[in-house]
Amino acid sequence: EAGVVQSPRYKIIEKKQPVAFWCNPISGHNTLYWYRQNLGQGPELLIRYENEEAVDDSQLPKDRFSAERLKGVDSTLKIQPAELGDSAVYLCASSLGGEVYGYTFGSGTRLTVV
Amino acid sequence: GQQLNQSPQSMFIQEGEDVSMNCTSSSIFNTWLWYKQDPGEGPVLLIALYKAGELTSNGRLTAQFGITRKDSFLNISASIPSDVGIYFCAGQDPGTASKLTFGTGTRLQVTL
Repeated sequence: EAGVVQSPRYKIIEKKQPVAFWCNPISGHNTLYWYRQNLGQGPELLIRYENEEAVDDSQLPKDRFSAERLKGVDSTLKIQPAELGDSAVYLCASSLGGEVYGYTFGSGTRLTVV
Repeated sequence: GQQLNQSPQSMFIQEGEDVSMNCTSSSIFNTWLWYKQDPGEGPVLLIALYKAGELTSNGRLTAQFGITRKDSFLNISASIPSDVGIYFCAGQDPGTASKLTFGTGTRLQVTL
């Protein structure tokens, strides 16, 4: 079974530029999460989807971050414009109905803003 | 956002030694989880604890769910080189079934 697939693996951009990350969850997983992991820290939730509905986006900086999950499968996280402080690893995870044991993370996208 | 407190922050041990790390929170959780993260990868679940006082093992790993529901402990026995990595605890928010709050991590280095 394929795991959670994220792309790109690495991205370097100049500040004020836009950037987008893509996530393909495990087949059949209806819950999808985006986490941000700053250097030396644990992951922090940005947004959670149940199917195509964003049910928890309270930690998403909405002035510059946006996300979508079309048709309840793949998801895209966008930052526009990027700031230096956005440099981090962006992790996508998926689960079936929010069940903890099946909560699977992708390998992440490492973003560097220069 | 909130992060759970983990200690120690890092550990250097010799192969064969036992390891202990813990995690504390100011709020209670219904579920405690322990993850391991290798460089360039996402966290991988090691152990899940569902009940206060529960003690659960997975091979050389043993974890406990604290009685107060505000802490958890992870022990690794007879460490081997592949145990190297960052260990994170995570609590499942009782108010939001699938939201996880992670700890700050314990970096483990194993020397031969």
